Parts: sequence; C-alpha cells; structure tokens
Amino acid sequence: GAVVSQHPSWVICKSGTSVKIECRSLDFQATTMFWYRQFPKQSLMLMATSNEGSKATYEQGVEKDKFLINHASLTLSTLTVTSAHPEDSSFYICSARQGNNYGYTFGSGTRLTVV
Amino acid sequence: DQQVKQNSPSLSVQEGRISILNCDYTNSMFDYFLWYKKYPAEGPTFLISISSIKDKNEDGRFTVFLNKSAKHLSLHIVPSQPGDSAVYFCAASVISGGSNYKLTFGKGTLLTVNP
Repeated sequence: GAVVSQHPSWVICKSGTSVKIECRSLDFQATTMFWYRQFPKQSLMLMATSNEGSKATYEQGVEKDKFLINHASLTLSTLTVTSAHPEDSSFYICSARQGNNYGYTFGSGTRLTVV
Repeated sequence: DQQVKQNSPSLSVQEGRISILNCDYTNSMFDYFLWYKKYPAEGPTFLISISSIKDKNEDGRFTVFLNKSAKHLSLHIVPSQPGDSAVYFCAASVISGGSNYKLTFGKGTLLTVNP
C-alpha cells in the first residue's frame, strides 16, 4: 500500500531557530500534500495544502511566512517552522493524496518541542 | 466553528462486544466521510470511508453508517478486540466540484477495549 515517510519523528530546538520537517511519498507520486497540526486532546487542524510545483494554500490564521512549505517534487514536501517559539510546540503530521484517489495516507508525525 | 463533532471523548467496551463511535457534522456540502485510527505519537491510519450516495459501507469488522438527513455517521466495530484500543477520528471532505479534497477532522474518541 501507499507509504508516507515523515522525518524527523521528534525534534527539540531552541527558541528563535528554524526547523525543517520532511514528508516523502515512498511508492507513489503525491500530487497534493497536506500539513496538519495537533495540540493535545484536539483534532488535527489543517495548516496548508501544497500542490507540486505551485505555492501552498494556507488556512485562515496560519502565517505563511512562519510556516514555509515547499513541494518541489511529486514525492517530497517540506514544512519549515521559522523562528520557532514555545507556542509552536505541537505534533505536526503530513498526508498525501495519490492522483485522483480520495484516500489519504498519513505520515507518522513529528513532535516539535521548542525550548 | 467545529464542523465535525465527536461528542464522546472516550468509550470503554468489553472484548467481543460492539463498539459504536458517533460523529455529527454541520456542513451540508460534505459528501465524503472517513474514519481514522490513531495511536499516540503516530499518524492516523485509514479505516473505512463512505460516500454520501450510500448509507452503509462494510469492511470486515468495521461498518460505517451514514444518516444524511441527521448529518450523523457512526462506526461500528464488532466484535471489538483489545488491539482496537486507540483514538478514532471522524473526518469529512467535499469531493465534488473540483475541490482539493481537504479533510476536516473531529476531536477524536478514545476507545478502550477491555479483555
């Protein structure tokens, strides 16, 4: 089945630094990838939708200059949290959609802790 | 504005019995619904889905029922097994009209199946 690999699985960084999270589709080409954030005991909140070769579409309230998304190829999307602050600490998850398939495959998530 | 609601944060059932997880939605444009299972610190795993043109979809021990008039869907697991213990997320999407199929998630229900 379709596999999405997300790295790193956890990261601790100092306040003010930037962190890059990678999301790769291993055995299929992902025309669309989604980035979610989940706070404890909350639902997965969509942050942005990225389509290969074009700019990401951000959800309302998500700062595009803070959460940089790059989807340069059909198998890789990256989320960079710039100038991270403790309130950015969360669980970030990517998902990918294969072609016109309505199914989504999720990565294993990244636990970001900003100290 | 929570468009997808899972009003029960937790559910506990005995092994072998039926688990019924409920989900309500408010957006009448939603036409595709999915259930995901999630373990701590992992990404969600797809379980089962249903299109709004159907009222029931079955896959092994998992059955999803959709009541469009009530804007309500439920996931039935029978018989329940201890390995089913996880957080279950209900998600909804609009797939008609050329949308980008982004998912809106509920807050999840923690299912505990006791041996």
